[in-house]
This record gives sequence, C-alpha cells and structure tokens, in this order.
Amino acid sequence: SYELNQPPSVSVSPGQTASITCSGDRLGNKYASWYQQKPGQSPVLVTYQDTKRPSGIPERFSGSKSGSTATLTISGTQVMDEADYYCLAWDTIAVFGGGTKLTVL
Amino acid sequence: QVQLQESGPGLVKASQTLSLTCTVSGDSIRSETYYWTWIRQHPGMGLEWIGYIYNSGSTYYNPSLKSRITISVDTSKNQFSLKLNSVTAADTAVYYCASARRCITACPSPLFYGLDVWGQGTTVTVSS
Repeated sequence: SYELNQPPSVSVSPGQTASITCSGDRLGNKYASWYQQKPGQSPVLVTYQDTKRPSGIPERFSGSKSGSTATLTISGTQVMDEADYYCLAWDTIAVFGGGTKLTVL
Repeated sequence: QVQLQESGPGLVKASQTLSLTCTVSGDSIRSETYYWTWIRQHPGMGLEWIGYIYNSGSTYYNPSLKSRITISVDTSKNQFSLKLNSVTAADTAVYYCASARRCITACPSPLFYGLDVWGQGTTVTVSS
C-alpha cells in the first residue's frame, strides 16, 4: 500500500521558518495537499495542488515539491501555528501522511 | 460556502452497525460539484480516508473497509451518511465528514482541489 512519510516532530522559534516534509514513491507525479489540525479541532486545508493556497490562509503558508518530496513552509512562524500538519495525496485511494507535530518555542 | 455537520450516536456496541449522518448546508447534496467524503481519526493517531460519494450515488471506498461500509445520500434531507457494520474497538475514532470540489475534465486525481470543508467531527466509541 502507498505511504507518505513525514517527520514526527519539527520545532521552530517564533519568527523563524518552519519546513515540514512529506515523501512518497512517485509523489512527483501526484498532487499534494496540506492540512493543519489544532488540538480538539477539525483539520483545515492550507495548501493544495502542491503550491496553491485557499482564500483565507495566511501568505506565510506555502507549498512546494521537488522530486518525490513535498514541503510545507511556514515563514515567520507564529505561536498560533503550533499544530499537527498532515500531507495528503491520491494513489488509487486518498493517503494521508502520518502527521508532524509543529512546536513553536 | 458549504458547511457540514456530523451527527449520530456516540456509543455503539461491538458487532453492531455504526451509523452517522452529515448534514450539508450552503449547497445541494445533488450538486455534481463535490465529493462528499468520510474520514476518521483514531485516538491520538493520524487521519484515515474512508470513502466518498458523488453524483447522488457513485461511491468509492477504502479497500481496507470496503466490505463493511456503505455511504449513501438522502436528497430529501440534504444529507449523506456512513454505515459501518460489524464494528470492533478498532473502529473507535473521531469521524469527520468533508467535501472536495470535483475536477470534471482532465482530472489528475479526485482530490485535485483538496478537502476544503470539514465538519466538526463526532466521537464514536465502540463498547464491548
């Protein structure tokens, strides 16, 4: 079965840039989306089609992809960005990455 | 903007059927614009895609659950539902409904636009 691999945790200081990666076989041929989930809340779409940002999502969130690795970058990270982040891609079914806990301290 | 709201019993006995409903507001469930989707999250774990329905009856399920699930639409109530039978403790999770805008022509994947609307989630516990 298809797998997307994310680091379990990433730490960043406020105001710095956070990068969360998502790697998977042939991910270069698929489109990735990213979701932010804060404790006790539903996930929120923050990027789709690798690089696009839905309306209402702050510009500090950006997506990119190189080869088989998609990356969510948060520029000027704020304390409010502390959350779990999940990547998602389609491979006969929808597959989520295992999630990355972003700590801002 | 579509809004979604899950409802259903929070406690189900093992071996019985879990039944959840997602009420759609802001658009018609008949709309060909969306994949109406179910996702779940086991306690302290990641997200698992269950399946979706579109065009009021076409479905696509996660093969790992396919033998036990049914997703259907009630157009009179503007709702879609999930039934999961023969539940066990492993089905204890938060269940989310979500929608994804459909890409109608030359679509590289059903999730081309991402899962852009989510319900608030409902916790289901399977008891023995």
